[in-house]
Amino acid sequence: EIVMTQSPATLSVSPGERATLSCRASQSVSSNLAWYQQKPGQAPRLLIYGASTRATGIPARFSGSGSGTEFTLTISSLQSEDFAVYYCQQYNNWLLTFGGGTKVEIK
Amino acid sequence: EVQLVQSGAEVKKPGESLKISCKGSGYSFTSYWIGWVRQMPGKGLEWMGIIYPGDSDTRYSPSFQGQVTISADKSISTAYLQWSSLKASDTAMYYCVRFYSGPHYFDYWGQGTLVTVSS
Repeated sequence: EIVMTQSPATLSVSPGERATLSCRASQSVSSNLAWYQQKPGQAPRLLIYGASTRATGIPARFSGSGSGTEFTLTISSLQSEDFAVYYCQQYNNWLLTFGGGTKVEIK
Repeated sequence: EVQLVQSGAEVKKPGESLKISCKGSGYSFTSYWIGWVRQMPGKGLEWMGIIYPGDSDTRYSPSFQGQVTISADKSISTAYLQWSSLKASDTAMYYCVRFYSGPHYFDYWGQGTLVTVSS
């Protein structure tokens, strides 16, 4: 099973600042990497798929990069509605796993 | 508009059986994989398995193989997650998800079904 490791576990950021979240795979997943945002009491929402493609309706301040084993989600200028937990998810040969999540909190 | 509407919250006792449902609408139900994701209280997301309603091909996470059964009734565009004997550790929120098999991601999520197992 491919293990996805997200870092940091918690990221404290001021509104308007840039946030950089990391996701590392225990072996290559090519570009089969997605990012999700989950707010308290809500279902997760797809942000990024294919490592770097924004889902429909996702603001341009969200961007994804990376391939193989190292991936990054960047939020260029944090808005109040962006404080949430973010998960990465990989797909490899009909097995899918999520990372443990990064909580982005207000500094 | 694509929608996944899940059945309501359940409170069960250990050892009881349970089947929760997820009705898809706004798209061709038989053309997309549909699956389930578990979230235990205060924890992260865990993929359980997916089914292709067109031919009932089903794939399970090794962690959930043999522990649950995923099925679908394409005549009513509904997917199911079933337990034969619940444990307290099955207490969690369960999300129904549509799986886009191309870049491989979950593009639509249901509202979640909270399952509580307690004696």
